[in-house]
Amino acid sequence: ELKVEQNPLFLSMQEGKNYTIYCNYSTTSDRLYWYRQDPGKSLESLFVLLSNGAVKQEGRLMASLDTKARLSTLHITAAVHDLSATYFCAVINNAGNMLTFGGGTRLMVKP
Amino acid sequence: GAVVSQHPSWVICKSGTSVKIECRSLDFQATTMFWYRQFPKQSLMLMATSNEGSKATYEQGVEKDKFLINHASLTLSTLTVTSAHPEDSSFYICSASTPRLAGSLSSSYNEQFFGPGTRLTVL
Repeated sequence: ELKVEQNPLFLSMQEGKNYTIYCNYSTTSDRLYWYRQDPGKSLESLFVLLSNGAVKQEGRLMASLDTKARLSTLHITAAVHDLSATYFCAVINNAGNMLTFGGGTRLMVKP
Repeated sequence: GAVVSQHPSWVICKSGTSVKIECRSLDFQATTMFWYRQFPKQSLMLMATSNEGSKATYEQGVEKDKFLINHASLTLSTLTVTSAHPEDSSFYICSASTPRLAGSLSSSYNEQFFGPGTRLTVL
């Protein structure tokens, strides 16, 4: 059974600081997603990582994937208040048809 | 492109009534749609996988007689919560799957596009 763990579950940080969210998963997978969710809203797709060593960047967010370590990271550079949200990673199963979500990381960026 | 809608966006109902939620892929055809449930401050949990023209596959612990899923066309899936009770109050999110090309890789993969969600409150 595929299990996905994120840490930390909650992160409070000040504007301008850097931090990393980690996503570990238990079985082999070749595709990992990062999503953002604002309160009361659905998911917004941030990144899809398709291969070992993949790195994608959008603004202050950068995601990477190490399939050998079964680890993905979401790095936040010089955080701003607008980044406050809950971030989820999700991993595709081997059949390629089902996502398993991590527990989410609730990020609060204080001015 | 790849827009998924849900209707209604929120619903309040009395205990014992049934509620139908629609999920539509607006600009693409989706052979597979997924239904998730999210309780406050928790992650998304997959309830069922819905394939057009066939019976839905339910995850362990999800009552198929309570959560009726119909996937009548390639652009519409419905979830009916029958005899709703307060513990069914939750945020229900659907997604629709469509093939995407994998960039420089000569392959494709199925990507899920998420609807805006339906907040159900059962009194």
